[in-house]
Amino acid sequence: EADIYQTPRYLVIGTGKKITLECSQTMGHDKMYWYQQDPGMELHLIHYSYGVNSTEKGDLSSESTVSRIRTEHFPLTLESARPSHTSQYLCASSGFTGTGANVLTFGAGSRLTVL
Amino acid sequence: ILNVEQSPQSLHVQEGDSTNFTCSFPSSNFYALHWYRWETAKSPEALFVMTLNGDEKKKGRISATLNTKEGYSYLYIKGSQPEDSATYLCAFYNTGNQFYFGTGTSLTVIP
Repeated sequence: EADIYQTPRYLVIGTGKKITLECSQTMGHDKMYWYQQDPGMELHLIHYSYGVNSTEKGDLSSESTVSRIRTEHFPLTLESARPSHTSQYLCASSGFTGTGANVLTFGAGSRLTVL
Repeated sequence: ILNVEQSPQSLHVQEGDSTNFTCSFPSSNFYALHWYRWETAKSPEALFVMTLNGDEKKKGRISATLNTKEGYSYLYIKGSQPEDSATYLCAFYNTGNQFYFGTGTSLTVIP
């Protein structure tokens, strides 16, 4: 049973289109993240949020934007998609376990192809 | 961007073989080292979180060790099974509350 949901799983669109990748979690986690992964490469942090109305850019520069109006919802938007945006986007949230460790819970990913 | 390295990049083993992978990370500003397992078409799932030098964790046939002084962690799989086939990611979690991932080790277990 997934606790973090991403939609769509797969998306093929044309250049110039606006897209929004949805991410929702049911765990009440304050911290949420968007990672981008290209084939054979590591996950790179592009955005993160530590709570409602808090958003920060990650280490990897991205033309996408995010919003955090509700704790459970952290959508990512591309205003004008380009082929260079073709990638896999993973959403995650983190919370502390009983042992005090801050563990990531991931969504299943959104694989975006821009033609 | 911090450098977290995993080796090997990919590995094919026969069912029943034991195997191990390496994750190297910076030894400064260390807070925790995470291992995640990522099966195709699924979400990455947490395997282990280790925080103390010398930590050893075990879950069934999979175990992991941690050396924070020299900046490495090993993941071991004993008696590999086809269901162990996945990409194994390590993530360095630093005192700045940021996760840095390696590129992963892709394991294929051949029946």
